Amino acid sequence: GAGVSQSPSNKVTEKGKDVELRCDPISGHTALYWYRQSLGQGLEFLIYFQGNSAPDKSGLPSDRFSAERTGGSVSTLTIQRTQQEDSAVYLCASSLFGASGREETQYFGPGTRLLVL
Amino acid sequence: AQSVSQHNHHVILSEAASLELGCNYSYGGTVNLFWYVQYPGQHLQLLLKYFSGDPLVKGIKGFEAEFIKSKFSFNLRKPSVQWSDTAEYFCAVNANFGNEKLTFGTGTRLTIIP
Repeated sequence: GAGVSQSPSNKVTEKGKDVELRCDPISGHTALYWYRQSLGQGLEFLIYFQGNSAPDKSGLPSDRFSAERTGGSVSTLTIQRTQQEDSAVYLCASSLFGASGREETQYFGPGTRLLVL
Repeated sequence: AQSVSQHNHHVILSEAASLELGCNYSYGGTVNLFWYVQYPGQHLQLLLKYFSGDPLVKGIKGFEAEFIKSKFSFNLRKPSVQWSDTAEYFCAVNANFGNEKLTFGTGTRLTIIP
C-alpha cells in the first residue's frame, strides 16, 4: 500500500502481559516516529528512528516501553508488563529523510487501539 | 521545550458558517507548523503546513491558515463550513532545524450541524 500501515488495529490484553505493536512505514521513508493518543494526555511523542537507530527516545514513559527498527523499515513497539494506564491509541508516522534542514511532513498510520484490562 | 495551545475544545457551527480555530505555540526558535485533521473513524491526515515564505497557506478542502510570527499563532480558517468538516483538528509544531518530533495541541472537536 501507499500509506503507513499498523497492526493489529485493535489489541485487548490483560494487565501484566506483554504486547507488540507493528508499524510499516511508507516505502523509502527513513524517519519513523511513534506517538500515543490518550484521553488524558492528548497526542504525545514516544520515540524517533533515523534508519535503524533511535536518536530520540525521550518520550518513552517508562522502561517497560521499548522499540526497534530493522532493515530501515518495519518497527516494533513493545510494552512489557502492561498497565491499565497504557491503554491508548498508538500511532506511527514516517517521513522521507529525517535530515536536518529539510522541510518534511510526517504521514500517520491508522493506529493500534490498545486496551489493557 | 515546545508547547501548543488550542483554546477551543469543542466548536459547534451550522453549515455555511465561517470557521476560525485558534492555535498558539511557544518556542524560542524557528518552527514548522501543521494542521492535521482526524475525521470520525479515520486516521490523522495533513490539512496544511507552513515551513517558510508566504505566511498565508492554503490546504485541502478550502482550509487556510495564517502564520503570525509576532503573535506565535497559526490559526485555521474556512469561510464556509460543510457538514463533512465534522472532525477533530490538531495543531502541531516542530523545530525547523531537523526533522524533529511533533508537539501537538490538545485538539479541537468541530461539530457541524446540517
